[in-house]
Amino acid sequence: GAVVSQHPSRVICKSGTSVKIECRSLDFQATTMFWYRQFPKKSLMLMATSNEGSKATYEQGVEKDKFLINHASLTLSTLTVTSAHPEDSSFYICSARPGQGGTEAFFGQGTRLTVV
Amino acid sequence: AQTVTQSQPEMSVQEAETVTLSCTYDTSENNYYLFWYKQPPSRQMILVIRQEAYKQQNATENRFSVNFQKAAKSFSLKISDSQLGDTAMYFCAFRRPNDDKIIFGKGTRLHILP
Repeated sequence: GAVVSQHPSRVICKSGTSVKIECRSLDFQATTMFWYRQFPKKSLMLMATSNEGSKATYEQGVEKDKFLINHASLTLSTLTVTSAHPEDSSFYICSARPGQGGTEAFFGQGTRLTVV
Repeated sequence: AQTVTQSQPEMSVQEAETVTLSCTYDTSENNYYLFWYKQPPSRQMILVIRQEAYKQQNATENRFSVNFQKAAKSFSLKISDSQLGDTAMYFCAFRRPNDDKIIFGKGTRLHILP
């Protein structure tokens, strides 16, 4: 199956700093990627849809100035958590679906963010 | 709006037994995709099985099979001859054909006991 690579897998940052998470589709092009947040023992919550070459679409309640998304190429989307606070600590997962006709989405390995 | 409901937060079965995970969904669409994803302790999401709503035949992947009841909007997952490696969180999910968004259920935590 297709491969989506997410980096880093773990990151610890100080409160007030920003951290960037990368999501790459390694063997296919993805005009759309998705960013999810997952709290412990909970389901995946869609945060935003990342669109190549245009602005991301954020879900209701997600602060676009807090979670900056950039999708500058067909294989890379980045999520930047700005001015991170301890409540931003969570597991973040990206996904992408190969072009037209593909039915399944592929997920990155996830990033565990801890803000201290 | 589409919703996906998993009514079993947690289940435990003995190794080699068969277990069924329940999932119901709500949609007004006639055509759509349904998925079961597995999330083991590594947290990597893995597709277990998928079903296209226009296909009446239930999907099967080795020890994993589904019971798709379109009229009842039910999509259960059966795991036969369960193995320790099946221990994971299982998410039922829904997607419309022309929409990239996947709607996930809340998940069922499955423990396979030795």
